[in-house]
Amino acid sequence: DTGVSQDPRHKITKRGQNVTFRCDPISEHNRLYWYRQTLGQGPEFLTYFQNEAQLEKSRLLSDRFSAERPKGSFSTLEIQRTEQGDSAMYLCASSLKGISTEAFFGQGTRLTVV
Amino acid sequence: GNSVTQMEGPVTLSEEAFLTINCTYTATGYPSLFWYVQYPGEGLQLLLKATKADDKGSNKGFEATYRKETTSFHLEKGSVQVSDSAVYFCVYGSSNTGKLIFGQGTTLQVKP
Repeated sequence: DTGVSQDPRHKITKRGQNVTFRCDPISEHNRLYWYRQTLGQGPEFLTYFQNEAQLEKSRLLSDRFSAERPKGSFSTLEIQRTEQGDSAMYLCASSLKGISTEAFFGQGTRLTVV
Repeated sequence: GNSVTQMEGPVTLSEEAFLTINCTYTATGYPSLFWYVQYPGEGLQLLLKATKADDKGSNKGFEATYRKETTSFHLEKGSVQVSDSAVYFCVYGSSNTGKLIFGQGTTLQVKP
């Protein structure tokens, strides 16, 4: 297994456009997380899935953001009507359910809204 | 709510110097604590972890002890190397959901 992969690595979009990011977790991992990281800050939790069920969403996640994990495998994060404030690194992580299991992170998708 | 506070950087040290990066947390329940590291151009990776009070996590010469009485998880290394230059994150982990709460990160630069 090559770890958590995210696509694309970079995305530049115009304000008001929709964007979609993909995350492929480590294959046997049943939990998948999305985080957002802005320059000079630590990652902030956005949402997580256990298998295909989305179990928690941060208050940071406005209604322009939606995430899915069909069939409990890969996940997509869509941002509609992008704003300049959405510019950030979007990180995906996966783990196995259990106490204190390690979360493995992807390299992230860097979004720039112009 | 739950939060993590770590010392601000950047921290600049000479090779072989002693490193301490302070971290304190506020929490409900019984979190796990982690240090994650981000080397230049690479993704986040786990450096060490501790799952309960008085546990000591260690890896690559780094250590941190989970102190419940002081709600701290300070990172230490006795002799840093240039290759340790990176951003270090103190992280609180929910035992129920695995959700992670990150500190703001501390940039370490080690000079030869």
